[in-house]
Amino acid sequence: AQSVSQHNHHVILSEAASLELGCNYSYGGTVNLFWYVQYPGQHLQLLLKYFSGDPLVKGIKGFEAEFIKSKFSFNLRKPSVQWSDTAEYFCAVGAGSYQLTFGKGTKLSVIP
Amino acid sequence: NAGVTQTPKFRVLKTGQSMTLLCAQDMNHEYMYWYRQDPGMGLRLIHYSVGEGTTAKGEVPDGYNVSRLKKQNFLLGLESAAPSQTSVYFCASSFQTRAQYFGPGTRLTVL
Repeated sequence: AQSVSQHNHHVILSEAASLELGCNYSYGGTVNLFWYVQYPGQHLQLLLKYFSGDPLVKGIKGFEAEFIKSKFSFNLRKPSVQWSDTAEYFCAVGAGSYQLTFGKGTKLSVIP
Repeated sequence: NAGVTQTPKFRVLKTGQSMTLLCAQDMNHEYMYWYRQDPGMGLRLIHYSVGEGTTAKGEVPDGYNVSRLKKQNFLLGLESAAPSQTSVYFCASSFQTRAQYFGPGTRLTVL
């Protein structure tokens, strides 16, 4: 069974700082990769997804992620965070089936 | 489109009581899922369905049952609630293996 690791449990940044959240997965075959965001008290919303093609994927709200197959990684990035980016971020991997395996999440706190 | 909706939004049960959570989607998705979210645990799959009339167990199915009588609805039942089932429950749906879209969640407390 595949597993997903998000290395940072809680990240605290000042506004305008750059963000990179790590995500690694364990599965040797073809994968579909996702990042979801959960704002406080809300449901998960899709930020971006990767199925194939260009490994640099752009999503909503200025987020992007890079798939590095050799490293089994799909890190999320944003050049300049805003206070409104305060949320929990989940990486998810689909490997050959309709089920997704989620990481445990990374809480991001952005200080104004 | 409403997307994925869930009822109720909040519920408090006593140990041993039963209840049903309703999930509805209007995107004509074949696949539907029930997850529970607990602090520090991420999302864990309870049950899922790949089509009307079909259901399957996920990672943490014990204590739950599901039914998918209509394509647009996916019901999650707790026959005899336990405090360990206190959680936030999310329903999701997807078109085949594409991205899953989530409902607003149901916060359940079992006393």
